[in-house]
Amino acid sequence: DSGVTQTPKHLITATGQRVTLRCSPRSGDLSVYWYQQSLDQGLQFLIQYYNGEERAKGNILERFSAQQFPDLHSELNLSSLELGDSALYFCASSVAGRDETQYFGPGTRLLVL
Amino acid sequence: QQPVQSPQAVILREGEDAVINCSSSKALYSVHWYRQKHGEAPVFLMILLKGGEQKGHDKISASFNEKKQQSSLYLTASQLSYSGTYFCGAFLNTGNQFYFGTGTSLTVIP
Repeated sequence: DSGVTQTPKHLITATGQRVTLRCSPRSGDLSVYWYQQSLDQGLQFLIQYYNGEERAKGNILERFSAQQFPDLHSELNLSSLELGDSALYFCASSVAGRDETQYFGPGTRLLVL
Repeated sequence: QQPVQSPQAVILREGEDAVINCSSSKALYSVHWYRQKHGEAPVFLMILLKGGEQKGHDKISASFNEKKQQSSLYLTASQLSYSGTYFCGAFLNTGNQFYFGTGTSLTVIP
């Protein structure tokens, strides 16, 4: 158990819909990272937040957005969903930044029908 | 900018050794190694922070050659539990984006 929690574990929805994925980092960790893992794309970095502020952006679509709240939990919002958005979404947390280990949550499996 | 790993896949018998390589076209700030079992989250193995650094625990170790912009993961006397997909990940010298490598599938058979 990494100490990082993600909800929900599974999500099935239809194209065009909007969903919110939630991540609670380990106690004391200020950084949250979001990743998407699909069969053909591997693990892709989406976005990082540090202490409530966006720190780095990766291959995140404009239809996707994220935020980190004062209690440090983070949410990833996916809108206008397409079939290709079906994937495993992981969040990870670390104490601060590039020098530290990222601990991964169990992931949310999203299926868009 | 995604690091390239080699080999893509490897099959070992228990007790054999393996080396997984991770190469980048950009200068690396740090290299992280993870193992992922199917359908599960990546599990941290080790982090290397500066060129030439070598780390290890148990029978898994790694090195980081900053000049060559590459890292290698060494697995010795492999066990069945080593099976999974190994990913390197890296922060570049520029920026805070994290890039996972292409992955190496490792299967250990009795």
